[in-house]
Amino acid sequence: QVQLVESGGGLVKPGGSLRLSCEASGFIFSDYYMSWIRQAPGKGLEWLSYISITRSFTSYADSVKGRFTISRDIAKNSVYLQMNNLRAEDTAVYYCARQIYHDAGDYFDFWGQGVLVTVSS
Amino acid sequence: QSVLTQPPSVSGAPGQRVTISCTGSSSNLGADYDVHWYQQVPGAAPKLLIYINDNRPSGVPDRFSASKSGTSASLVITGLQAEDEAHYFCQSYDRSLSGPLIFGGGTKLTVL
Repeated sequence: QVQLVESGGGLVKPGGSLRLSCEASGFIFSDYYMSWIRQAPGKGLEWLSYISITRSFTSYADSVKGRFTISRDIAKNSVYLQMNNLRAEDTAVYYCARQIYHDAGDYFDFWGQGVLVTVSS
Repeated sequence: QSVLTQPPSVSGAPGQRVTISCTGSSSNLGADYDVHWYQQVPGAAPKLLIYINDNRPSGVPDRFSASKSGTSASLVITGLQAEDEAHYFCQSYDRSLSGPLIFGGGTKLTVL
């Protein structure tokens, strides 16, 4: 069965950095786009970034562009989110999700359990 | 402020029917981009509920249905059950944004 397991969350000071990991299993990882999505406490979902199958294309939400970097390691069946210059407003649960490419708009068919990132001094 | 607008909350008694709306614009739903729906029960990750406007993944009961027309979409839940109490989010693509995958603000469904 499809499994996505995030790790790397925790408490970090404003201006600090953190790297999230998401290990995938139960499917051919190299066949899918992957995304990171977050949810601030008590708030809705915010898509952050996706990476294409070949890693040649990435896309970011304006809120994280220039601060966050998505990458993937096919050999390790993993996708990563490097988060730099963190702000209090980045405090959220971060989910990785398997993305289904669809010409009229992609969607997310499997999600990890999420990892909490808290940015506070 | 989300690009896709949902009512913050809806409610219904067990057995009743509820509808959750998702309103977009000419750069997303109105531009013929499809809408997808997710269910998030308290304390859990979101789960795909409806994809490509009106398709249910395996395992989703047929009490859940959805449709899209123009710049709007709707999720309908019939025969409401206690376990349907959750947050529901619509999601689509917006061609005017550099980060194009968008969610609605979410709707909390309360089963009375």
